[in-house]
Amino acid sequence: GEDVEQSLFLSVREGDSSVINCTYTDSSSTYLYWYKQEPGAGLQLLTYIFSNMDMKQDQRLTVLLNKKDKHLSLRIADTQTGDSAIYFCAESTDSWGKLQFGAGTQVVVTP
Amino acid sequence: DTAVSQTPKYLVTQMGNDKSIKCEQNLGHDTMYWYKQDSKKFLKIMFSYNNKELIINETVPNRFSPKSPDKAHLNLHINSLELGDSAVYFCASSQSLGTGELFFGEGSRLTVL
Repeated sequence: GEDVEQSLFLSVREGDSSVINCTYTDSSSTYLYWYKQEPGAGLQLLTYIFSNMDMKQDQRLTVLLNKKDKHLSLRIADTQTGDSAIYFCAESTDSWGKLQFGAGTQVVVTP
Repeated sequence: DTAVSQTPKYLVTQMGNDKSIKCEQNLGHDTMYWYKQDSKKFLKIMFSYNNKELIINETVPNRFSPKSPDKAHLNLHINSLELGDSAVYFCASSQSLGTGELFFGEGSRLTVL
C-alpha cells in the first residue's frame, strides 16, 4: 500500500531474532496490526498495538511503536522454521474498520 | 469447523465470462469484507458489509457486485471478467464495525485467460 511501507524480504537463521519494520504516514492511525500469511492460506492476526502505547509483548512477539517517526516494528524471538511466512503491517484510520496494508515482508528462516 | 470459508478455492475462466465466489462465516460476526490480493501480494479492500448493509465500497469497477443475503454470508459476483481481475480474493469477517481484528478465509484464486 502506498501509505504503509515495509521491506520486502528478510532472511534469518533459526534461533535468532527477526525484526520486521514498517512505516506509515497517517498520524491519526488508532490501531496498528501485524498479520501473518503462510503459503496458500489467508491472513492471521498476530498482534496489534493501540496508538497510545510504545510497546506490547506477547510471548515471542514484541511490537514497538514510535509515533513521532511513524515507525512500527515486530520482533520475533527465537525464530523457528514455522515462522517462515509473509508478515503484513496494517493501520486502521477510520471508524469503519478499513485497514491499509503494507506490501508484506517475506521472512525466510534457514536452519 | 472452518470459521470463514470461501468457495471455490480455485477458479480458471475465460475473459468475458461471469463468475461468483461465495463466503460464509460461522463466528456470529456482524461485519464481512472482500479483499483483493494481486500477484505482488498487495492487499486492498474492495467492500465491507455490516449486518447486510454496504458500508465500504472502494473504487472498484461496477462489474463487481457483492451481495449479502444475511450477515453470515457475503458473495462476490464478477461480470465480464478481464485479465486484470486475476488475483486472490479473500473474504474476512470481524465481530463489529470499526475493529481491525479480521478473520480471513483461505482465499479464492481467480485466473482469467
